[in-house]
Amino acid sequence: QVQLQESGPGLVKPSETLSLTCTVSGVSITSGGHYWSWIRQHPGKGLEWIGSIFYNGDTDYNPSFKGRLAISVDTSKNQFSLKLSSVTAADTATYYCANLRKSLTAASIPNWGRGTPVTVSS
Amino acid sequence: EIVLTQSPGTLSLSPGERATLSCRASQSVSGSFLAWYQQRPGEAPRLLMFGSSSRAAGPFTRDTGIPDRFSGSGSGTDFTLSISRLEPEDFGVYYCQHYGGSPPITFGPGTKVEIK
Repeated sequence: QVQLQESGPGLVKPSETLSLTCTVSGVSITSGGHYWSWIRQHPGKGLEWIGSIFYNGDTDYNPSFKGRLAISVDTSKNQFSLKLSSVTAADTATYYCANLRKSLTAASIPNWGRGTPVTVSS
Repeated sequence: EIVLTQSPGTLSLSPGERATLSCRASQSVSGSFLAWYQQRPGEAPRLLMFGSSSRAAGPFTRDTGIPDRFSGSGSGTDFTLSISRLEPEDFGVYYCQHYGGSPPITFGPGTKVEIK
C-alpha cells in the first residue's frame, strides 16, 4: 500500500526557509500517473494546494506562492521535498504530502501523509 | 480560477439520518475531475469519491473501501455528496475538490457534519 511520511522542523523563524521532505513507500516515485504534491491547512481552516512535481522534475505551483516555492524530487531515495522561503506567521499550518493520481479521465488524491504541523515564530 | 462553494457550512444531524452536501463550481466543470474527501478531527483527509460518483478504494490493501452509504452525483456546476444513514464515524468535515484550470487543484471550504 502507498504510504507517505512528512519530516522536517516544526518551528521556523520568520523570513527563513521552511523545508520539508516526504518519504514515499509502497510505490516507486517514478511510477506514471503519480504527481507528488504538497497541501497545507491553516489551523481550523480548509485545504490549500501548494504544488506538485512529477518524477522527471516537472513542477506545477500555486501562483499564490509568488516565487517563494521550490519542490524537488530525489528518485534515489523515493522522496520529494518542499522549500518555502521568506516565511511569515501566515505560513503556520499543517503541511501534508500527498499523491495526486491523474489520467486523461480522472484526477484525485487517494494517498495522504499524516501531516506535520509547522509554526513560524521567533 | 475555478472557485468551489460548499453548502451548508454546518449540518447538524443524528445518527441514522440522511446527509446531503452540496458543492457548486463557479463555472461548468467535468465531473470526471471532481472528488470528495472526509476529514475527521486530527486526521488527514481521506478520499471518498472520485469522478464525482465513484467510491474510492481504501488506501490500504486490507481496507474494504468506502461504504455504499456514500454516493455522489451531479454535473456542470452542481455536485452532491449523500450519506444515506449517518454512522458515528461519519461525523467530520467534507471537502469537494476539482482538478483543472489555474491553479489546477482547488478545494471547497468544507461542510462540517456534526452530531445533533
